[in-house]
Amino acid sequence: DIVMTQSPDSLAVSLGERATINCKSSQSVLYSSNNKNYLAWYQQKPGQPPKLLIYWASTRESGVPDRFSGSGSGTDFTLTISSLQAEDVAVYYCQQYYSTLYSFGQGTKLEIK
Amino acid sequence: EVQLVQSGAEVKKPGESLKISCKGSGYSFTSYWIGWVRQMPGKGLEWMGIIYPGDSDTRYSPSFQGQVTISADKSISTAYLQWSSLKASDTAMYYCARLGYCTNGVCYTRGYFDYWGQGTLVTVSS
Repeated sequence: DIVMTQSPDSLAVSLGERATINCKSSQSVLYSSNNKNYLAWYQQKPGQPPKLLIYWASTRESGVPDRFSGSGSGTDFTLTISSLQAEDVAVYYCQQYYSTLYSFGQGTKLEIK
Repeated sequence: EVQLVQSGAEVKKPGESLKISCKGSGYSFTSYWIGWVRQMPGKGLEWMGIIYPGDSDTRYSPSFQGQVTISADKSISTAYLQWSSLKASDTAMYYCARLGYCTNGVCYTRGYFDYWGQGTLVTVSS
């Protein structure tokens, strides 16, 4: 099974500042035949279902603000919020879909400092 | 507009059976895989299994194999998650979600969850 580990577990950032969340997979999620990283990021606000933000590690879902960006390849990935807004307070999860034994990271709670 | 609408909250006793539902609309329900995800109180997301409503091909997480049954009725665009004998440890929020990676008319299991239901809270308590 592919284990996804996020860091940090929680993060407090000032409004307007950059927030960075890391995700590491126990094995590569880069599929060599199409050079795609099978990695997604989700945002979950309190009392709501998760929302897809990023897929293929760096492709923003339609309607997601461009302050959200994803990067990385192989086993190491990053979600960056370039300028934190109050509405970005949430728990963020990474997920691999390289294996159909899908697995999520444990989540990173993002708060306002 | 793609929508997944789940059935309402349930309160059950240990040992009881339960079937919750997820109705899809706004897209071809038979073409996309549907997954179920568990979120225990205050915890993270756990994938339980997926089903392809077109032919009811079903895959389970080893952690949930034998513990739940996933099914679908394509005639009413609805997927189901059921338990034959609930335990207190089944208390959780359950989400259905669509696997959204399709290309050239083929939808793949190796995909991301692009649309989610609102969740069904299941409480099991004596």
